[in-house]
Amino acid sequence: DIVMTQSPDSLAVSLGERATINCKSSQSVLYSSNNKKYLAWYQQKPGQPPKLLIYWASTRESGVPDRFSGSGSETDFTLTITSLQAEDVAVYYCQQYVSTPPTFGGGTKVEIK
Amino acid sequence: EVQLVESGGGLVQPGGSLRLSCAASGFTFRSPWMHWVRQAPGKGLVWVSRINHDGSSTAYADSVKGRFTISRDNANNTLYLQMNSLRAEDTAVYYCARGDPGYSSSWHAHWGQGTLVTVSS
Repeated sequence: DIVMTQSPDSLAVSLGERATINCKSSQSVLYSSNNKKYLAWYQQKPGQPPKLLIYWASTRESGVPDRFSGSGSETDFTLTITSLQAEDVAVYYCQQYVSTPPTFGGGTKVEIK
Repeated sequence: EVQLVESGGGLVQPGGSLRLSCAASGFTFRSPWMHWVRQAPGKGLVWVSRINHDGSSTAYADSVKGRFTISRDNANNTLYLQMNSLRAEDTAVYYCARGDPGYSSSWHAHWGQGTLVTVSS
C-alpha cells in the first residue's frame, strides 16, 4: 500500500496569512500513461463529510476559492492557502488514488493564530 | 444536484452484523465507481471498499476483507455494505462516496453525510 504522510499535524496561522500543508507519498503517484498525478486534497470541518478541494494534484474543484492551490512532484505535494480566512479552519487530508487501496494522509488541522 | 444518503447504522454487539445503504440521486448511478470510506471517532479517513459501475469488480481494505461485502443495485440507485463479524475497531462513521464517472481510479467529489456504526457490548 502507498503510505501518505502529512506534515505538520497542525498549524496555526494568522488571518490573511499563508498556510502550507505538505504530503509525501511512499511511492510515485504519477501514472506514466497519461502523465497525471493521482493526488487529491480534501477539507473537513467538524461534523461534516470531507469536501473535495483539489484533484490531479493541482486542479481546483469547481466552486473552490482560488486561495486554495495544489502543487507537487511525483511524491511530494503541497496544499497552499494563500490568505487564510476564518472559514478555512478545518482538517485537511491528501489522498492518492493511483493504486488500490486508495490511501489518505493522517490529516493536518489548521487553526487561527 | 448529486445526493448520497446513508442509512442503516446503529449499535451492534461484537460479532454482529449490519447492512448499510446509500441512496443516490441527481446523477446516472450506473456510471461511476462507488466507495465506502470510514472515520473512527476523532481519527482520520480510511478507505473501506469500492465497486465498479456494474458490480462485477470489487475491492476491500485488508482490515475488512472476508467480513464486509459491497454491492449495488443500479435499478434502484442504491449502494450497500454488508458488514459481518463486527469488531470494536469497526466503530466509525461510514461515508459513501462517488468516484468520477470518467475514471476508474478517481477522487471523490461527492460524499454522503455518513452513518455511525458503534460496535459495543
